[in-house]
Amino acid sequence: ETGVTQSPTHLIKTRGQQVTLRCSSQSGHNTVSWYQQALGQGPQFIFQYYREEENGRGNFPPRFSGLQFPNYSSELNVNALELDDSALYLCASSFGVGASGGAAVPYEQYFGPGTRLTVT
Amino acid sequence: TQLLEQSPQFLSIQEGENLTVYCNSSSVFSSLQWYRQEPGEGPVLLVTVVTGGEVKKLKRLTFQFGDARKDSSLHITAAQPGDTGLYLCAGLPAGGTSYGKLTFGQGTILTVHP
Repeated sequence: ETGVTQSPTHLIKTRGQQVTLRCSSQSGHNTVSWYQQALGQGPQFIFQYYREEENGRGNFPPRFSGLQFPNYSSELNVNALELDDSALYLCASSFGVGASGGAAVPYEQYFGPGTRLTVT
Repeated sequence: TQLLEQSPQFLSIQEGENLTVYCNSSSVFSSLQWYRQEPGEGPVLLVTVVTGGEVKKLKRLTFQFGDARKDSSLHITAAQPGDTGLYLCAGLPAGGTSYGKLTFGQGTILTVHP
């Protein structure tokens, strides 16, 4: 069974630039969630993708966007980087089962090792 | 807004001691997960509790979910230096379409000295 992988491991960008982070979900999983973890804090939910569609979003501005591909891998894009975007970005994969109304209700989430983004 | 209050924030103990970490909320969760995270790595899932009053044991770790599914605890018996790390609780809100948005506590940094 292949675990969750993320790339790159580390990244340094300048304020105003754009960045793309990548995540490969665990085998058999169809849902990817993205989290931002600032130093010394718990992860904060950014958004989730289920079957290639956004399926819920946290309190993050529109310059945070994402994609999910047919193989369930995912990308997180951040435009117009700000200094406060410096953090560990985590993706988590899970198996979502469509509930009534079509919303996915994932169960256990398994995290990748994260991408450390530094904005200078 | 679903909030999880985790305590204590820091814990420094000697090898062999017992400890308990608490995770409390005023909101009900459909499930609650405990993770352990080491510096520079992603959180590793330890356990998921789903039923109110549920108790799960993982070697020296005992996890409990409150009867009302609003709180949880992690108890470690005879702590070892290898238990050192950041412990996180995370809840999946009950009811409606939570979209699998895990709400995390702020974490407990545990240091076990040899």
